[in-house]
Amino acid sequence: DSGVTQTPKHLITATGQRVTLRCSPRSGDLSVYWYQQSLDQGLQFLIQYYNGEERAKGNILERFSAQQFPDLHSELNLSSLELGDSALYFCASSVGPGQPNEKLFFGSGTQLSVL
Amino acid sequence: GENVEQHPSTLSVQEGDSAVIKCTYSDSASNYFPWYKQELGKGPQLIIDIRSNVGEKKDQRIAVTLNKTAKHFSLHITETQPEDSAVYFCAASMGSGAGSYQLTFGKGTKLSVIP
Repeated sequence: DSGVTQTPKHLITATGQRVTLRCSPRSGDLSVYWYQQSLDQGLQFLIQYYNGEERAKGNILERFSAQQFPDLHSELNLSSLELGDSALYFCASSVGPGQPNEKLFFGSGTQLSVL
Repeated sequence: GENVEQHPSTLSVQEGDSAVIKCTYSDSASNYFPWYKQELGKGPQLIIDIRSNVGEKKDQRIAVTLNKTAKHFSLHITETQPEDSAVYFCAASMGSGAGSYQLTFGKGTKLSVIP
């Protein structure tokens, strides 16, 4: 168990809908990363938050947004869902950039199915 | 941006034999190279990592080597066991130099250890 908690584990929804994925980082970690895993694209970095502020942005669609709250949990919001958004979404946490021996630990993911 | 190539995509070995997975990266500014193991239905699990100030690191049956000049790094698993069967991912990051440990992943290697 990595200590990173993601909910829900599975999510089934329809095209055009909006969903929210939740992540609680490991105790003491200030940084949260979101990744998307699909068969054709592999593991793709979406966005990173550090202590409530956006730190880095990757291949995140405009229909997707995220935030990190004062208690350090993070939410990834996916709207106007399309069939191609079906994927595994992972959250990872770390102490924070600039820390010695910085490492990323992944949660068990949310499997999103858009029908 | 960074590009990570991983080979082979599939690897079958007899139990007790060694397994080697190789990765190359494109951005010479990358300085952190972790390896993750992903079992079915689970998130990526960090198994070993190496930073650019060292050439080799070992942890029991697992070792990683890094050649900065050639921009490639490898994972070596000795005395393989059936429980080593999983998908292995290499990754690269510019680490603290970029203010973010966002990882660029290879496409993965499916390792099968035959009893």
